[in-house]
Amino acid sequence: SQQGEEDPQALSIQEGENATMNCSYKTSINNLQWYRQNSGRGLVHLILIRSNEREKHSGRLRVTLDTSKKSSSLLITASRAADTASYFCVGGSNYKLTFGKGTLLTVNP
Amino acid sequence: KAGVTQTPRYLIKTRGQQVTLSCSPISGHRSVSWYQQTPGQGLQFLFEYFSETQRNKGNFPGRFSGRQFSNSRSEMNVSTLELGDSALYLCASSPGVGGDAYEQYFGPGTRLTVT
Repeated sequence: SQQGEEDPQALSIQEGENATMNCSYKTSINNLQWYRQNSGRGLVHLILIRSNEREKHSGRLRVTLDTSKKSSSLLITASRAADTASYFCVGGSNYKLTFGKGTLLTVNP
Repeated sequence: KAGVTQTPRYLIKTRGQQVTLSCSPISGHRSVSWYQQTPGQGLQFLFEYFSETQRNKGNFPGRFSGRQFSNSRSEMNVSTLELGDSALYLCASSPGVGGDAYEQYFGPGTRLTVT
């Protein structure tokens, strides 16, 4: 897989606000995945978006993919303290996931 | 469905010893991957097994090995432990085939401390 570069490196918001984080990658991909890791629930698969999809929703998550710009964004609406975690994007159809440094999201109560 | 389970959850070993970690994937999943996570290097891929065969391999020395059994359960072995092997070892399972083949579901990890 291809390592994504998440931006920003850290994000701090208040509970109830929306959080947006971005991901850029270098070469063409078939799909892109977002994962979340926190101390309580470990590393969790959030969503997979395919290269022929522009937007995908899952609960409070909204992911967009712009293959022309080689970028993706993850929007978390109405954030909760439990959303505090590191978020990673990983591109490509491969079992060899390559994780970047992620975006550390802190949601303050 | 039960999630991915890893045993043991915590382990303390001495330099030079060897260790075996175990992973039981989600029922029906045929692919099992292993990752090492350290504060300095982050998450690094070790290897992936599918139908008892190693299908992908990361850049780790030969001291790190694994295997997969016919029921898809997997074990990872590290021989001649070094202090730098102290890490969280994560196992992930995925269907391995089909539309969601690449979605990986991680276990809670085994925290290995080498003294």
